[in-house]
Amino acid sequence: EVQLLESGGGLVQPGGSLTLSCAASGFTFSDYAMTWVRQAAGKGLEWVTAISGSSDSTWYADSVRGRFTISRDNLKNTLYLQMDSLRAEDAAVYYCAKYKMVQGWYIDYWGQGTLVTVSS
Amino acid sequence: ETVLTQSPGTLSLSPGERATLSCRASQSLNRNYLAWYQQKPGQAPRLLMFGASSRATGIPDRFSGSGSKTDFTLTISRLEPEDFAVYHCHQYDNSPQTFGRGTKVEV
Repeated sequence: EVQLLESGGGLVQPGGSLTLSCAASGFTFSDYAMTWVRQAAGKGLEWVTAISGSSDSTWYADSVRGRFTISRDNLKNTLYLQMDSLRAEDAAVYYCAKYKMVQGWYIDYWGQGTLVTVSS
Repeated sequence: ETVLTQSPGTLSLSPGERATLSCRASQSLNRNYLAWYQQKPGQAPRLLMFGASSRATGIPDRFSGSGSKTDFTLTISRLEPEDFAVYHCHQYDNSPQTFGRGTKVEV
């Protein structure tokens, strides 16, 4: 059974930093691209960033490029999101998700999410 | 970026009724790479459909997807109590991937 468990969320001041982690199990982690998607309170889902299975490619939304860094450790089956220079508009539930790479890349499994609050 | 517009924002129906949810793309999805997810309060989204019309594993056949290019539809033929939730569409045809704002199906 695929499981994705996020951690690391919390309260951070504007301009601060936070690192999210996502522990994956139930599949061969290194074989799959992964992504972070966020959802602000009362809003829709927003794609944030993605990384290939081997880490050789990464992609970012314009809203976070230069401030967020996605990475992974395939030996630890863990996905990370380093978030720097946080803004109020970054406050959201952050979901770790796995891509299914068949006829395009769509998300087939999601974690339960971790809440990031940005406030002074 | 490709904007997905979901309508209606809220759909008020009763169990046993048919639900028709719309997702319109601002740019053509030439490969029809569109997915639908169901999300219940406090839960992660769950994949329902991919490639516009293919059901994900374990999804009951009362769920169906249709459409192409810019107009897509998710249909729930007969609503069960567990189907009342928020439904999101997601395009992965054009970069960056984008999501709609969701349609809430309520009693």
